[in-house]
Amino acid sequence: QVQLVQSGAEVKKPGASVKVSCKASGYTFTSYGISWVRQAPGQGLEWMGWISAYNGNTNYAQKLQGRVTMTTDTSTSTAYMELRSLRSDDTAVYYCARVRYITIFGVVINNDAFDIWGQGTMVTVSS
Amino acid sequence: DIQMTQSPSSLSASVGDRVTITCRASQGISNYLAWYQQKPGKVPKLLIYAASTLQSGVPSRFSGSGSGTDFTLTISSLQPEDVATYYCQKYNSAPETFGQGTKVEIK
Repeated sequence: QVQLVQSGAEVKKPGASVKVSCKASGYTFTSYGISWVRQAPGQGLEWMGWISAYNGNTNYAQKLQGRVTMTTDTSTSTAYMELRSLRSDDTAVYYCARVRYITIFGVVINNDAFDIWGQGTMVTVSS
Repeated sequence: DIQMTQSPSSLSASVGDRVTITCRASQGISNYLAWYQQKPGKVPKLLIYAASTLQSGVPSRFSGSGSGTDFTLTISSLQPEDVATYYCQKYNSAPETFGQGTKVEIK
């Protein structure tokens, strides 16, 4: 079945980096994008950015520019999100989600909604 | 950036009630609007995309409407399993912002 399986929980010290993986299965990886969304404890959903699994194009949330890098490995159908210079307010559950594309006559005109989500990865930043 | 504002922030209704949640975009987003349901301790789930298209497998008591700046999610007959927080999200362009969420409880 179609699924995204994320790596396990992480505990990091302030200033460190974390890299979360998201392994896709059950579909053609390069035909979709991957977005990353985080949720701080008791808070709402925050969009972090998107990567095309087809060509590696990215688009990051402005507040994370310079600290976040999203990559993919098409040979293993895995997406990665690395966040650097961690702070306590980066403590959150991090989700990857599959992004469909809206196409007209086979041409992608826009991203679509997030139809499949990973199980989430808890990242705790604490000294 | 376009802001997404949901109302109310929370609501309490009885089983069988009709429930409506509103999402307003600060600028027009055509119909590039999705609704997600997140049950306590669970992963978000896509309910509706393109403002009004029901995702496969989602019960028909859920419906969406709107275009431009004003959107609504309606639960026609609230069920106990609908207790959750509901989020709208724009995806016409980056950043693909979420609303702040609406918590739905049973009275």
